[in-house]
Amino acid sequence: DGGITQSPKYLFRKEGQNVTLSCEQNLNHDAMYWYRQDPGQGLRLIYYSQIVNDFQKGDIAEGYSVSREKKESFPLTVTSAQKNPTAFYLCASTYTGELFFGEGSRLTVL
Amino acid sequence: AQSVSQHNHHVILSEAASLELGCNYSYGGTVNLFWYVQYPGQHLQLLLKYFSGDPLVKGIKGFEAEFIKSKFSFNLRKPSVQWSDTAEYFCAVSPNDYKLSFGAGTTVTVRA
Repeated sequence: DGGITQSPKYLFRKEGQNVTLSCEQNLNHDAMYWYRQDPGQGLRLIYYSQIVNDFQKGDIAEGYSVSREKKESFPLTVTSAQKNPTAFYLCASTYTGELFFGEGSRLTVL
Repeated sequence: AQSVSQHNHHVILSEAASLELGCNYSYGGTVNLFWYVQYPGQHLQLLLKYFSGDPLVKGIKGFEAEFIKSKFSFNLRKPSVQWSDTAEYFCAVSPNDYKLSFGAGTTVTVRA
C-alpha cells in the first residue's frame, strides 16, 4: 500500500545528542514536509522540500536540519542546538496540495 | 507571529447546534486554503480545500467553508453538529505552491 512511513515511533535521547527521524514515502510525491505538533500550538512547519536536492526553512527551522537526496526520503535531524526538542514530529507529502501524513514520531529528551 | 490565526481555542456546544470556526491569514496574493480535522487518536485528515472558483466550498461530513478575500478569512461552518464531530480542527494556508502553514487549532467538544 502507498503511504508515508516514519520511524522510530518513539525515541528517547539524552540532552545534547543529535537524533535523526526517518521519513519515507512511496506515493511518488514531489513535495515533503516536517511539522512539529505541540498542544495548543497546532502544527508548526520546520522544513519543506519541493524537489530532490532542494529544501527551504519553515517557520521554526532553528536547531533542525534536513536532506533530500532521494525523492522518497526526507530525514530530519534534531540537533543539540534545538532548545526544546521534546515533541511529536509529523512528516507529510503532497502532489496536489492535500497533505498525506505519516503516523508521527514522538521524541523525548531526558 | 502566527501567519494563520484561529480565533477560538476551545469551543463547547450541544448536538444539533451550529458551528462556525474562524480562520484568518496574513499572506498577500493568491493562496490555497485548507481545513483539516484530527479526531481523537487519529491522523489529520482533509475536510475541504479551496484553490480557486466558487468561494463557498463544500467538504466531507456536512462541513463547508467560505473564502472572503477582502477579509483574508476562510471560516468553517456546519449547520448541525453531532457528537462524532468532537475533534481538533486546523486551518492551513499555502501562500505559494508548496509552503503550507497551519493555525494553532480549535478543539471542538460536542455534548450529547
